[in-house]
Amino acid sequence: EAGVVQSPRYKIIEKKQPVAFWCNPISGHNTLYWYLQNLGQGPELLIRYENEEAVDDSQLPKDRFSAERLKGVDSTLKIQPAELGDSAVYLCASSLNLNEQFFGPGTRLTVL
Amino acid sequence: SQQGEEDPQALSIQEGENATMNCSYKTSINNLQWYRQNSGRGLVHLILIRSNEREKHSGRLRVTLDTSKKSSSLLITASRAADTASYFCATDARNTGKLIFGQGTTLQVKP
Repeated sequence: EAGVVQSPRYKIIEKKQPVAFWCNPISGHNTLYWYLQNLGQGPELLIRYENEEAVDDSQLPKDRFSAERLKGVDSTLKIQPAELGDSAVYLCASSLNLNEQFFGPGTRLTVL
Repeated sequence: SQQGEEDPQALSIQEGENATMNCSYKTSINNLQWYRQNSGRGLVHLILIRSNEREKHSGRLRVTLDTSKKSSSLLITASRAADTASYFCATDARNTGKLIFGQGTTLQVKP
């Protein structure tokens, strides 16, 4: 069974540029999460979807970050414009209901 | 914001020794989970313990939970070089799936 797929794995952009990350969860998983992980820190939740509904986006900086999960399957997280402080690893995870979360390998973003 | 604090931040042991990591948290929880993260990889779920449980085992892993002290510990017995990774505790306050992670313990197991 394929795990959570994320792309790209690495992204380097200049500040003020837009960037998008894509996540395909495990088949059948209705809950999808986007986390941000800074170096040496634990992940911090940005947004959680149940099917296509964003049920918790309280930690998402809405002035520059947006996310969507069309059709309740794969999801895209966008940053526009990117700032230097956005450099981090962006992790996607999925779960079936509220059971254990399965994480993808992450996208490492570097903003120059 | 991060709820958990993990101790120690870094741990280095010899293969075959036991490794103990501790996690403290601030607010009441529904469950607490431990995850492992190898360098450059995503997190892997290890074990979940609910607030009404005190101890749980899974293979070489033993997790304890003391809700009165708001703390948990993860014990890895007979460690192997492959156990080298960062270990995170994460709390779920209301069984909503919203996990609050600690800062992690970096474990190095020397062969």
